[in-house]
Amino acid sequence: DQQVKQNSPSLSVQEGRISILNCDYTNSMFDYFLWYKKYPAEGPTFLISISSIKDKNEDGRFTVFLNKSAKHLSLHIVPSQPGDSAVYFCAAISRIYGGSQGNLIFGKGTKLSVKP
Amino acid sequence: DTGVSQDPRHKITKRGQNVTFRCDPISEHNRLYWYRQTLGQGPEFLTYFQNEAQLEKSRLLSDRFSAERPKGSFSTLEIQRTEQGDSAMYLCASSVSSYNSPLHFGNGTRLTVT
Repeated sequence: DQQVKQNSPSLSVQEGRISILNCDYTNSMFDYFLWYKKYPAEGPTFLISISSIKDKNEDGRFTVFLNKSAKHLSLHIVPSQPGDSAVYFCAAISRIYGGSQGNLIFGKGTKLSVKP
Repeated sequence: DTGVSQDPRHKITKRGQNVTFRCDPISEHNRLYWYRQTLGQGPEFLTYFQNEAQLEKSRLLSDRFSAERPKGSFSTLEIQRTEQGDSAMYLCASSVSSYNSPLHFGNGTRLTVT
């Protein structure tokens, strides 16, 4: 049973436009959420995070929105650039695991393609 | 910051053989994690260490898998009597001991069991 779901395996957008990547979760105990980006033949790299006490966090071109009532979060990339083409993973953690990020639960990822 | 280093990058082995992977974390990070990723899936947690202590193991970690982190520095992950289902990317990550500290992943070891 997938606790973190990324229902879109792929997304294609034009350079300069907005990319919106979505993530749904089922475990109401999750209280910290992260997005990781992964290029081929590399490990995932941390992009941005959000605590459940917030509904928005922004870092440059990247903004994460959290809707706790809907158990939904989204990552917005504005403007999108060809270098953003990668697989994006949503991940979540619950404080019940004692504050360790060792038990991050990842979604299956969304492959973003930004066309010039 | 030289990043998390994993060795080897690729390993091809025959079913039934034992394999060992090594991970060197970022030097000031006291937490080290092992994850496994198969095609089309996100990374799945296997185990983690704080310094030399192995604090948590996933039920995915069968008794054929063993991980060590002697002296709280590098870590090894050994798989005994490999099976074809063990074919995956094995990712190592490290972090400092802070709740919100993100994991820094290495580039992984891709294991192929033939």
